[in-house]
Amino acid sequence: ETGVTQTPRHLVMGMTNKKSLKCEQHLGHNAMYWYKQSAKKPLELMFVYNFKEQTENNSVPSRFSPECPNSSHLFLHLHTLQPEDSALYLCASSQGGGVGGELFFGEGSRLTVL
Amino acid sequence: SQELEQSPQSLIVQEGKNLTINCTSSKTLYGLYWYKQKYGEGLIFLMMLQKGGEEKSHEKITAKLDEKKQQSSLHITASQPSHAGIYLCGADGNTDKLIFGTGTRLQVFP
Repeated sequence: ETGVTQTPRHLVMGMTNKKSLKCEQHLGHNAMYWYKQSAKKPLELMFVYNFKEQTENNSVPSRFSPECPNSSHLFLHLHTLQPEDSALYLCASSQGGGVGGELFFGEGSRLTVL
Repeated sequence: SQELEQSPQSLIVQEGKNLTINCTSSKTLYGLYWYKQKYGEGLIFLMMLQKGGEEKSHEKITAKLDEKKQQSSLHITASQPSHAGIYLCGADGNTDKLIFGTGTRLQVFP
């Protein structure tokens, strides 16, 4: 098993669809993150979960809804998205208990909103 | 809020040439990370610098954090096609989240 696994790798959805991105880490980490990567923009932090509790919501629109049922799994529920939400969504994990230290990233989920 | 600016934005070099990528922070750096990303994939950790003046090397890649702790450079010696990708710097500012620069896209041609 690779450290951080994201599914699906590619997703195409209409603006009225509801879909979810899934992230799973097998590293025993306690913190998990969602980042958004758009063309020609810095990687944008969306959400941070530390010990299953959300510790950061970086002013993300409510059409993105995270869920962290346990320290190993992180979901990003998507509904009524806009074309500008098309991007690469990266999940990462770290030891947790505060920022600092290496982040381990998944390979990303490429989202296209039509 | 803290911002990281990388330069150059893109770089095309011939195999065997040396190159340097810079990362400049708008605020003091408490920890600086370098990652590499292949197009459309996740980020791979390269190294972390924490102390002003610190220098680390991994294979042909060397990173330094300047004394004033607001800039870092990544130097690749004798570049290879395998070095191609996007290099991103990330920083622990004085907040509890890791932020990233805009990235430098490196292409190495034979």
